[in-house]
Amino acid sequence: GESVGLHLPTLSVQEGDNSIINCAYSNSASDYFIWYKQESGKGPQFIIDIRSNMDKRQGQRVTVLLNKTVKHLSLQIAATQPGDSAVYFCAENNQAGTALIFGKGTTLSVSS
Amino acid sequence: DGGITQSPKYLFRKEGQNVTLSCEQNLNHDAMYWYRQDPGQGLRLIYYSQIVNDFQKGDIAEGYSVSREKKESFPLTVTSAQKNPTAFYLCASSMGTGTGEQYFGPGTRLTVT
Repeated sequence: GESVGLHLPTLSVQEGDNSIINCAYSNSASDYFIWYKQESGKGPQFIIDIRSNMDKRQGQRVTVLLNKTVKHLSLQIAATQPGDSAVYFCAENNQAGTALIFGKGTTLSVSS
Repeated sequence: DGGITQSPKYLFRKEGQNVTLSCEQNLNHDAMYWYRQDPGQGLRLIYYSQIVNDFQKGDIAEGYSVSREKKESFPLTVTSAQKNPTAFYLCASSMGTGTGEQYFGPGTRLTVT
């Protein structure tokens, strides 16, 4: 199934379902957004990014949607697999454009 | 094999001691960053450097110091002034700053008792 709505700290899905992870950002001037996946005890890995002149970008099994009107970012994972279980972070660039600001993260649990 | 390395993976120190965490990259990236991550939390920026011999404080710089004498290296010192140093420390690098993918190292878990 899918979960759409405000940021949730955890999301549990069944293998094969689609997952939607949401993120609200704060800086209306941000022009760059990025999603990372972090497995336990490891550094974050890049998933996909998007610039503010786009509202959708697709990768392999992942899609990022950007809604600048409500300052909302989402990550959609198609056909979720057990290997997708991890913590997912969104990030935006700071006001000076010199660093990234990370959200609190959503823990995705996939059961088979 | 290009990448970013951190050492050691686990580090234990007694309270009151300074400790330096290593971060090296061979990606030819100009910018490097240090983050702190506490259990169940996001990443908080400690320091970043856009170019050699220059660095800026992030959101939680108190009790930490850095140097950037070489493009490839950005060591972080956790000083005795840091009140709660036990955490997972992540180093990252990027081609430029602000807009663009940051590549992360595997992290160093520091425990201070």
